[in-house]
Amino acid sequence: NAGVTQTPKFQVLKTGQSMTLQCAQDMNHNSMYWYRQDPGMGLRLIYYSASEGTTDKGEVPNGYNVSRLNKREFSLRLESAAPSQTSVYFCASSERFYGYTFGSGTRLTVV
Amino acid sequence: RKEVEQDPGPFNVPEGATVAFNCTYSNSASQSFFWYRQDCRKEPKLLMSVYSSGNEDGRFTAQLNRASQYISLLIRDSKLSDSATYLCVVTPSGNTGKLIFGQGTTLQVKP
Repeated sequence: NAGVTQTPKFQVLKTGQSMTLQCAQDMNHNSMYWYRQDPGMGLRLIYYSASEGTTDKGEVPNGYNVSRLNKREFSLRLESAAPSQTSVYFCASSERFYGYTFGSGTRLTVV
Repeated sequence: RKEVEQDPGPFNVPEGATVAFNCTYSNSASQSFFWYRQDCRKEPKLLMSVYSSGNEDGRFTAQLNRASQYISLLIRDSKLSDSATYLCVVTPSGNTGKLIFGQGTTLQVKP
């Protein structure tokens, strides 16, 4: 019972580099989300996908793009990483808003 | 003003103590309310939902006051294993599935 799997767990990027964070869920949930967590700020929604084929911006979408590849997978791309994007990134999935399941997170440092 | 506000703490209490956390939310149209628990460097996990009538799960009691727009969590007979950050979470109006997180309240239970 994997739940939500995120890769990679850790990453160090140089300013301007690009990368994609991968997320997959095996619970047949329709909705998937990407959050970032910074000290003193709590979790903030970057993008979400209410169902396969749809994506919408959250609270802090600038500098990010997403792809809902299929029902299982939802990726987050940083096209040109900036130090302000140093954070812990969590992917989550849910069937409606009850039963949010989070992945174990990706710790990203941009130098 | 943040949509969900919590006292970050930390709350330092001895084992066996009773501790209460409060949380306020700004959107009176918020529909659903939750407490999540997050251990250090781990992902958030659902602790319990919060209902208007109040609800209890073992040593944990959650209350919602819609008129005053605040949510509370009471932990009785604190255990060392209760040490964690407790996140107050609300859903905005509309059936979007999104969750809005408070920044969390840190609890440290001492022997």
